[in-house]
Amino acid sequence: AQTVTQSQPEMSVQEAETVTLSCTYDTSENNYYLFWYKQPPSRQMILVIRQEAYKQQNATENRFSVNFQKAAKSFSLKISDSQLGDTAMYFCAFMPDITDKLIFGTGTRLQVFP
Amino acid sequence: SQTIHQWPATLVQPVGSPLSLECTVEGTSNPNLYWYRQAAGRGLQLLFYSVGIGQISSEVPQNLSASRPQDRQFILSSKKLLLSDSGFYLCAWGTTVNYGYTFGSGTRLTVV
Repeated sequence: AQTVTQSQPEMSVQEAETVTLSCTYDTSENNYYLFWYKQPPSRQMILVIRQEAYKQQNATENRFSVNFQKAAKSFSLKISDSQLGDTAMYFCAFMPDITDKLIFGTGTRLQVFP
Repeated sequence: SQTIHQWPATLVQPVGSPLSLECTVEGTSNPNLYWYRQAAGRGLQLLFYSVGIGQISSEVPQNLSASRPQDRQFILSSKKLLLSDSGFYLCAWGTTVNYGYTFGSGTRLTVV
């Protein structure tokens, strides 16, 4: 079975600092997609960043970047210059290429302090 | 632009009562549609997905059912709610090019 593991239930960071959220996954597939979603207190799920497994280059979206290690099945999210508005639950998600069903981890609650 | 509407936002229902949550999508045709449940302190669990009208796949056997009477309409139902049905329900639609999902704003269901 394909699973996604987020081993950090809660994290905190001071404003303007950098924080890294961890995610590992288990699959026998070779082609797949990985995502990070943000869920602020409003509960709206927002796509933060996406990575295609066949691409070596790590995805970057402004202050958000990933460290994708395919052999280790690791997909961490780095948030640089943390802002108060980054306070949210962050979910890592996996989608095999042969299906379009997203499998989510249990989430990491990030608190950014002023 | 594509938008997804989900209602109601909040619902409190007694045990044994029926349920109907509705989700509609605008700005796209033949979307793949999904219902997820998020229990307190847990991740998102896929309940149902649909690739077309009348086509429903269930991921987890349970007290809930889903229907897709129109191309851009997805309904989550129950004939008799259980306390364990409480949670946050999210509807989502996805493209077929693996660009992830767009989620609705969710329904917080409390069964009392």
